[in-house]
Amino acid sequence: AQSVAQPEDQVNVAEGNPLTVKCTYSVSGNPYLFWYVQYPNRGLQFLLKYITGDNLVKGSYGFEAEFNKSQTSFHLKKPSALVSDSALYFCAVRDDAGNMLTFGGGTRLMVKP
Amino acid sequence: EAGVAQSPRYKIIEKRQSVAFWCNPISGHATLYWYQQILGQGPKLLIQFQNNGVVDDSQLPKDRFSAERLKGVDSTLKIQPAKLEDSAVYLCASSPTAGGEQYFGPGTRLTVT
Repeated sequence: AQSVAQPEDQVNVAEGNPLTVKCTYSVSGNPYLFWYVQYPNRGLQFLLKYITGDNLVKGSYGFEAEFNKSQTSFHLKKPSALVSDSALYFCAVRDDAGNMLTFGGGTRLMVKP
Repeated sequence: EAGVAQSPRYKIIEKRQSVAFWCNPISGHATLYWYQQILGQGPKLLIQFQNNGVVDDSQLPKDRFSAERLKGVDSTLKIQPAKLEDSAVYLCASSPTAGGEQYFGPGTRLTVT
């Protein structure tokens, strides 16, 4: 069965500093990896995805993620955090057979001025 | 482009009562998903439709949950009878094709007392 682990319940970072939100996964076959963000009382918004190709994927709002096959990781990064980036972030995976998307438990990002 | 619409946004019911949620996906999206998101957890897929057919309902508690997507457009999710542990946000998502990027609605927050 496929699974996603987000080891940090919360990440705190000062505005202007780089941020990393960690994600590791387990899946049979080639992974399709996604990051979503959730603001209070709103649905999930797509940030970026990795399917194939370059290991560094660029997405919305200046976010990027690095796929590392040997470490089965897909960490979300941003060079300079904004207070408005404060939200709940979810990593998700599915296999290349198109089976269901499995989400991690989420990481709350707090960016302080 | 209009997003995924869901109603109601909030619902409070007593245990053993029935409740129904409605979802209108993005126009032209063949695939529709219902997720359950319990507070502090990531979304869990309940059921996936491709047009008006069920692709995956392996995690749907079929003794009390049911869903339909008549005519391959709108969908309803029903719980009958509700239990306290059904308190959660129910998210609807749609995608142009199975396995494609999913677009989420704002969700329905259900409280069972």
